[in-house]
Amino acid sequence: DAGITQSPRHKVTETGTPVTLRCHQTENHRYMYWYRQDPGHGLRLIHYSYGVKDTDKGEVSDGYSVSRSKTEDFLLTLESATSSQTSVYFCAISEGDRTDFYGYTFGSGTRLTVV
Amino acid sequence: AQSVSQHNHHVILSEAASLELGCNYSYGGTVNLFWYVQYPGQHLQLLLKYFSGDPLVKGIKGFEAEFIKSKFSFNLRKPSVQWSDTAEYFCAVNAGSSASKIIFGSGTRLSIRP
Repeated sequence: DAGITQSPRHKVTETGTPVTLRCHQTENHRYMYWYRQDPGHGLRLIHYSYGVKDTDKGEVSDGYSVSRSKTEDFLLTLESATSSQTSVYFCAISEGDRTDFYGYTFGSGTRLTVV
Repeated sequence: AQSVSQHNHHVILSEAASLELGCNYSYGGTVNLFWYVQYPGQHLQLLLKYFSGDPLVKGIKGFEAEFIKSKFSFNLRKPSVQWSDTAEYFCAVNAGSSASKIIFGSGTRLSIRP
C-alpha cells in the first residue's frame, strides 16, 4: 500500500465535543481528500485539498472543517460532534490534475462513534 | 451536478456464475470512470479504470468493464465469480472541471455462495 495512514483507527466521543482526525501521507501527493462512508450512501466527499492551505468543500461539508499546513498532513475537525456524524471516515490521496490523474489511494479508515 | 447510480444494492450469486453490475453516470462531457472494491473490513482498492481509448477495460482478478458512451454506462463484469469476490463494489466518475475529484455511487454488495 501507498504511504497513507489515518489516526485514530477507532474513536468514541460524546455529543458536542470537538474531534480531530488525522491523515498523513509519505507520497508527496498534491491532492488529499476526506470522505465519509455510510450504508446506502456510498462514499461522500466532505472536503478536499489541492495544496498546502488550499482546500475546498465537498458535498457534505456542514459541521466539518479541515486544515493542511504541510503537504503530508490533512486534518479533519468535527467542530461539535453529533450522532449523525457517526460514520467511517476515509482519507484518500492522488497524484495530480486531469492530465495525469490515476485515481485515489485510500487510507484504512477511522471508525467514529458519537454517543 | 455529476452523479453516479448503481441500481443493484445487493447481488447474491453462486460460485462460477457470471456477474454484471450496473453503473450509470450523469455528465455530458469527457469522463474518467473507475470501479473500486472494498473487501470486508478493508479500505477501497482500485479494480480498474477508464480514461480513453478501448472502451473495454480489463482490471485485476479477472474483472472487466465496458464504457458505453451513448448509454452513459460503465458496467462491471466477470465471467465466473469466486467466493473470494464477496465484497462491496463502487462505481465512480471524475468529470468536467472537477479535476481530481471523484464522485462515488452508493455501492453494490456482492455475496457469493460457496
